[in-house]
Amino acid sequence: QLQLQESGPGLVKPSETLSLTCTVSGGSISSSSYYWGWIRQPPGKGLEWIGSIHYSRNTDYNPSLKSRVTISVDTSKNQFSLKLTSVTAADTAVYYCARRVPGDFWYFDLWGRGTLVTVSS
Amino acid sequence: DIQMTQSPSSLSASAGDRVTITCRASQSIADYLNWYQQKPGKAPKLLIYAASSLQSGVPLRFSGSGSGADFTLTISSLQPEDFATYYCQQSYSAPQLTFGGGTKVEIK
Repeated sequence: QLQLQESGPGLVKPSETLSLTCTVSGGSISSSSYYWGWIRQPPGKGLEWIGSIHYSRNTDYNPSLKSRVTISVDTSKNQFSLKLTSVTAADTAVYYCARRVPGDFWYFDLWGRGTLVTVSS
Repeated sequence: DIQMTQSPSSLSASAGDRVTITCRASQSIADYLNWYQQKPGKAPKLLIYAASSLQSGVPLRFSGSGSGADFTLTISSLQPEDFATYYCQQSYSAPQLTFGGGTKVEIK
């Protein structure tokens, strides 16, 4: 059964870069036409889509975050990663990696458990 | 940007009740609307995609309807495991995806 697991530092200083990795197990990240994405949720608040990547390295980003976000994929490790630069307290959130189903409807059918990242000095 | 407004923001209901949650888009989004369930401390779970298509493995008591700007998620007979927060998500303006603010379903 396919599973996703987020990993990375739980604390990042303001103005620094947040880096997270999602490891896909139970299947190959490059064996299908799925996209792989990141969604975040500030404590007690709603969900915000960050961006997605295909194993071909085709990416889509939330326009409101695009200037600070890079999503990359490492097919040899079956992982994809998120980098968010110049973070502030507003970037404190639980970050989820998820699988996006290909097609017109852009929905996420499989999610990791999430990892809390706190931005604080 | 397309704004998604859910109502109510919270509701109290009893097991066995029929529950309806509404999601309204700031413009027509055809049927580009998905629904998720989130329990405390857990990741969201996909329930409905394309406004009315039930995700595999999701109980039949969940259903989605609507098109254009107005959508509903209905739970025909609320079960104890259904107490959670529900989110709608539009993809009409992909790659700009937006979620609704959530509806918390609590035990009466």
